[in-house]
Amino acid sequence: QKEVEQDPGPLSVPEGAIVSLNCTYSNSAFQYFMWYRQYSRKGPELLMYTYSSGNKEDGRFTAQVDKSSKYISLFIRDSQPSDSATYLCAMSSYGNNRLAFGKGNQVVVIP
Amino acid sequence: NAGVTQTPKFQVLKTGQSMTLQCAQDMNHNSMYWYRQDPGMGLRLIYYSASEGTTDKGEVPNGYNVSRLNKREFSLRLESAAPSQTSVYFCASSEGGMRETQYFGPGTRLLVL
Repeated sequence: QKEVEQDPGPLSVPEGAIVSLNCTYSNSAFQYFMWYRQYSRKGPELLMYTYSSGNKEDGRFTAQVDKSSKYISLFIRDSQPSDSATYLCAMSSYGNNRLAFGKGNQVVVIP
Repeated sequence: NAGVTQTPKFQVLKTGQSMTLQCAQDMNHNSMYWYRQDPGMGLRLIYYSASEGTTDKGEVPNGYNVSRLNKREFSLRLESAAPSQTSVYFCASSEGGMRETQYFGPGTRLLVL
């Protein structure tokens, strides 16, 4: 089993829809959870960062962490064509200087 | 601030040739990283440098060497390129360790024939 699993997609949605992305993981020591957004032919950029369990909201973006199920999610409300990108989850544990990335999930928002 | 810059943007090599990918950051970050990104494989860490003067292997170090020239610059060298090293290479930096926000460069697309 891979340490971090992420469905690569692609996921196509109409403009204005809610986008739901998720990652599952196997290492129960992970405590730091990130979502990076990567536009085509660009480097990734940090979108959301959460510590331990719970929700975090930033504008149209919500990140959720369910440590009991080893599952993290990213929701994009009122999706826009500019949200078309690949979204990578990443996670790390305390004291372990290593970041585990998912493979990335391509999202296409159709105008 | 330019952030993280990488040169070249694109390179074609023949098998057995060598080259050095350059990376520089102007954010005064302590840590720097080299990743490769392949379709279906995601981002994989090649080498990292937690501070000036130190380097450590990542997940896929074979066939690569690195140099942390100073706090700003971190180079990746391919001594004898192989077709399996065809990939997009990203340099990144962070103020502290890996779980802090990493800032990525625009990438270098490398094709080894």
